[in-house]
Amino acid sequence: GQQLNQSPQSMFIQEGEDVSMNCTSSSIFNTWLWYKQEPGEGPVLLIALYKAGELTSNGRLTAQFGITRKDSFLNISASIPSDVGIYFCAGLTTDSWGKFQFGAGTQVVVTP
Amino acid sequence: DGGITQSPKYLFRKEGQNVTLSCEQNLNHDAMYWYRQDPGQGLRLIYYSQIVNDFQKGDIAEGYSVSREKKESFPLTVTSAQKNPTAFYLCASSDRGPNSPLHFGNGTRLTVT
Repeated sequence: GQQLNQSPQSMFIQEGEDVSMNCTSSSIFNTWLWYKQEPGEGPVLLIALYKAGELTSNGRLTAQFGITRKDSFLNISASIPSDVGIYFCAGLTTDSWGKFQFGAGTQVVVTP
Repeated sequence: DGGITQSPKYLFRKEGQNVTLSCEQNLNHDAMYWYRQDPGQGLRLIYYSQIVNDFQKGDIAEGYSVSREKKESFPLTVTSAQKNPTAFYLCASSDRGPNSPLHFGNGTRLTVT
């Protein structure tokens, strides 16, 4: 299946900095999900988005469903060491029941 | 606590052997999925099941088989026909509804030598 384009591939940031990452697709999506995965663990759902333009926060995390319905953004504000991990986006088209497409992930490394 | 349990965490097999990965959920979810994760790649769908006694092939089903005899359980068999079986395997489930979020287990790392 088609994979989403997620960028950047990795980010090395200092504690306290803000982080931004995004996913783009050639398809129009009706759902965007953002996950965080730590080494050796399964992905954990952070934010789910269901409408174009929707902006949703979860603590220091904020995600937006792009107006074109072909992209989504995740921001982490004031990063802390426990933000380390791989962040994945997942998107779903209208006609693909439950078959989410996944980005390759953004590896975030936070240094004190 | 509700969740998805995958076992074992680590699995080692010799080439040519079939191996079965377990996935159990107590979330009362209708749909279950198996994904394969390789370094630097997005998750790839192997099989999914929307309801008991029914399942569909995903994008990379060759060399794998599944069964869905109970709502709670969706075991995955990696057969000897799978050419590159060493990977991290993730099981997920979702509630009824075409765009319900996926909830993942903690994965099984399979190494075949």
